[in-house]
This record gives sequence, structure tokens and C-alpha cells, in this order.
Amino acid sequence: GQQVMQIPQYQHVQEGEDFTTYCNSSTTLSNIQWYKQRPGGHPVFLIQLVKSGEVKKQKRLTFQFGEAKKNSSLHITATQTTDVGTYFCAGRGFQKLVFGTGTRLLVSP
Amino acid sequence: EAGVAQSPRYKIIEKRQSVAFWCNPISGHATLYWYQQILGQGPKLLIQFQNNGVVDDSQLPKDRFSAERLKGVDSTLKIQPAKLEDSAVYLCASSLVRRSYEQYFGPGTRLTVT
Repeated sequence: GQQVMQIPQYQHVQEGEDFTTYCNSSTTLSNIQWYKQRPGGHPVFLIQLVKSGEVKKQKRLTFQFGEAKKNSSLHITATQTTDVGTYFCAGRGFQKLVFGTGTRLLVSP
Repeated sequence: EAGVAQSPRYKIIEKRQSVAFWCNPISGHATLYWYQQILGQGPKLLIQFQNNGVVDDSQLPKDRFSAERLKGVDSTLKIQPAKLEDSAVYLCASSLVRRSYEQYFGPGTRLTVT
């Protein structure tokens, strides 16, 4: 079945440093979504990418969908302590949305 | 706009007991999802409803898990009998349509099976 992997599993940065998480699917995706889950909280939708090679920005966050529609990345510029949490990609293949393994981000002030 | 409501928020039961979770989606959202999230992992889809019909239940352990959405609005997920490995957070989510729309998650129910 469809599998979605993310790397790294965990990253600890100093406030102000950049952060990137990578998402790879075993199958071609029709679209990909990104969610953020704060510690003890529930996933919150960030963005959806649909087109091959698409790049979207939300303030300090940059999202990219690969040309082959099998991978994606999330880059955060100049992290802040409010960025702490686990970032999940979720890829939609034939039918269902499959969540990735997640990248946990810790930001030290 | 009210969010997705779930209850209870926490539940502790012994193995072999039964438990039920309730979810009320955002008003007007036709699609409802139940996910299982084990600590340190991403949410795993258990079942997806479109109105009151099941769209996908391929990962639902049907020998012990059941779910219903009788009137196309709120939903219940039941586990009977529970096993230790069922300890997880059970998340309910809803979306406007089945495909290509963001999912809104409820706060979840944290289940501990002892």
C-alpha cells in the first residue's frame, strides 16, 4: 500500500535557524497537504499543493511539491519558539489521504 | 464557527472491556473520518464516511472495531473488546467534500488500555 515517509524524524534548532522537513511517497500523489500538531494538540491544516513543481509561501514557511509529484518539502526560515511541534505531510494517492511519519521540531530560545 | 467536538477527552479501561467514542463534525461537513494516532506516529485512517455511507474502512480491525454515522451527522466509534495495543489517541476529523479538501480535526480522545 501507499507509504509516506518523512525525514528527519526529529530536529532541534536554535531560534533564528532555518528548518526543513522532507516528505517522500512510494506512489504518485494527486495532491499533498501539510499539517502542524502542537504538543498535546491535534493536527491543524497548513496548506495543500496540487500542481507538479508548485511552490507556496506562508510568511516564513515555504512549501514545495516535487516535479514527479512523489515528494514535497517544508522549509521554515528563521524559526521561532512558536514553530515547535510535529509537522506532518499527508499525501493523497488513489483514494485516501495517508499521513507521513512526521518531523518533530524543537526550537530553543 | 464551532469546531469538531469529541467526547470523552480521556478514557482508561482494562483490556477486554468495551469503549465508545463520540464525534460531532463541523456543521455542513459531509465527510467524517476516524483516525488512530499512536504516540510518536502519524494519524492512521480507520474509517471514512461520506454522509452516512462508508467510503473506506480498509484499515479498520473489524473483529473489534465498529463505527456508525446513522443520520449523516455525528458518529460513534466502538472498540469491543479492547487490547493493550489499542492505547492511542482517536481523532475525528471532518471536511466539506471527500477529496482535495482540508480536514478539520477534533481534540481527540486519549485511550489507555491497562
